Amino acid sequence: GAVVSQHPSRVICKSGTSVKIECRSLDFQATTMFWYRQFPKQSLMLMATSNEGSKATYEQGVEKDKFLINHASLTLSTLTVTSAHPEDSSFYICSARGAPGDTEAFFGQGTRLTVV
Amino acid sequence: AQKVTQAQTEISVVEKEDVTLDCVYETRDTTYYLFWYKQPPSGELVFLIRRNSFDEQNEISGRYSWNFQKSTSSFNFTITASQVVDSAVYFCALSFYNQGGKLIFGQGTELSVKP
Repeated sequence: GAVVSQHPSRVICKSGTSVKIECRSLDFQATTMFWYRQFPKQSLMLMATSNEGSKATYEQGVEKDKFLINHASLTLSTLTVTSAHPEDSSFYICSARGAPGDTEAFFGQGTRLTVV
Repeated sequence: AQKVTQAQTEISVVEKEDVTLDCVYETRDTTYYLFWYKQPPSGELVFLIRRNSFDEQNEISGRYSWNFQKSTSSFNFTITASQVVDSAVYFCALSFYNQGGKLIFGQGTELSVKP
């Protein structure tokens, strides 16, 4: 159990376009999903926390108008990188938590975004 | 401050050697959780262990063992008889009772096991 699927695993897009990344919990309902970003050779940094049916909470320094997060159902959250630039090229990975009191979240496989 | 420090950026060992990856954390919370994840070159995070702050028992799982010491705020990870397949980046992470699933990661340690 506790499978989280992230799609696509790799994406290349042109500068100025938008790209959407999906994060799905396959066998449980996720009240909360987390989005992390990892630049090459660096650690994972939390970008935002999304709760189903409400607006995402962004970490300091993350542009909410650039990284649009939607958590419209208990099994799906999406991250849209708008007007992508080469500096947005990174590894994006989501995790999903079931009930609010749960102490653990489960990770998707990650998405490697390259903006050319 | 809430922080995780993995001072070893890179470690290189020869196969069959034992290796210990260090993790030191900072928090004033009394209830917290510590994790280790493995990240192979493909990028996905492989969960290795979770420990809560009230359980200081050391844990062994096959060639892996973990030493949790609250007195030194450390949660070190040892691989015994390392293998080439152990080559990866290893992350130590911290989360809190009222923020389940929200992780603070250390900088990661890149382990290279040479044949």
